[in-house]
Amino acid sequence: DVQMTQSPSSLSASVGDSVTITCRASQSIDIYLNWYQQRPGKAPKLLVFAASTLQSGVPSRFSGSGTGTDFTLTISSLHPEDFATYYCQQSDSAPPTFGQGTKVEIK
Amino acid sequence: QLQLQESGSGLVKASQTLSLTCTVSGGSISSGGHSWNWIRKPPGKGLEWIGYIYHSGNTDYNPSLQSRVTMSVDKSNNQFSLRLASVTAADTAVYYCARGRPSGADYDFDYWGQGTLVTVSS
Repeated sequence: DVQMTQSPSSLSASVGDSVTITCRASQSIDIYLNWYQQRPGKAPKLLVFAASTLQSGVPSRFSGSGTGTDFTLTISSLHPEDFATYYCQQSDSAPPTFGQGTKVEIK
Repeated sequence: QLQLQESGSGLVKASQTLSLTCTVSGGSISSGGHSWNWIRKPPGKGLEWIGYIYHSGNTDYNPSLQSRVTMSVDKSNNQFSLRLASVTAADTAVYYCARGRPSGADYDFDYWGQGTLVTVSS
């Protein structure tokens, strides 16, 4: 299985800050990398697929980049509703696997 | 707006079989090109993909669970189901159903249910 490693595991930031989350795959996954947001008690929400394509309805302050083994999710200006846990997930090969999550907390 | 809702027993005894159903509303499970998935999150651990089923009945399971997993689809009721046999405490988790994006993007999960907690008791 492809192992996905996210960093950091948590971070503290303020409304308006820009934050970047990193995800690394244990082998090349081309661009087959998704990002999800999960608020407490809610289902995960697909934000980005194919490394950099925003899912319909997702605000443009979210952006994804990367290819191969190294990927990033950037939130350009944090809004209050962005404080949540973010997961990366590879969709290149079965079984699909997830990172352990990055919790974005209010400073 | 497509909605998915999990239902089933929240408490299962060890060695027995976990059974969950996902009801799809706002769209047809038979509309082509989507995988219908089960994913779980044990407490304090990460998300784990269990497997998917297509409306045709084709399935793909995580090898780590394959020997214990069975998925089925009920097109008349717009539902799909999960059975996990011989459960242990390690199967305690929030279980989610989710849809794969169309056109063969089986592992891009664009709609999710709210999740249901299943606890395995001894």
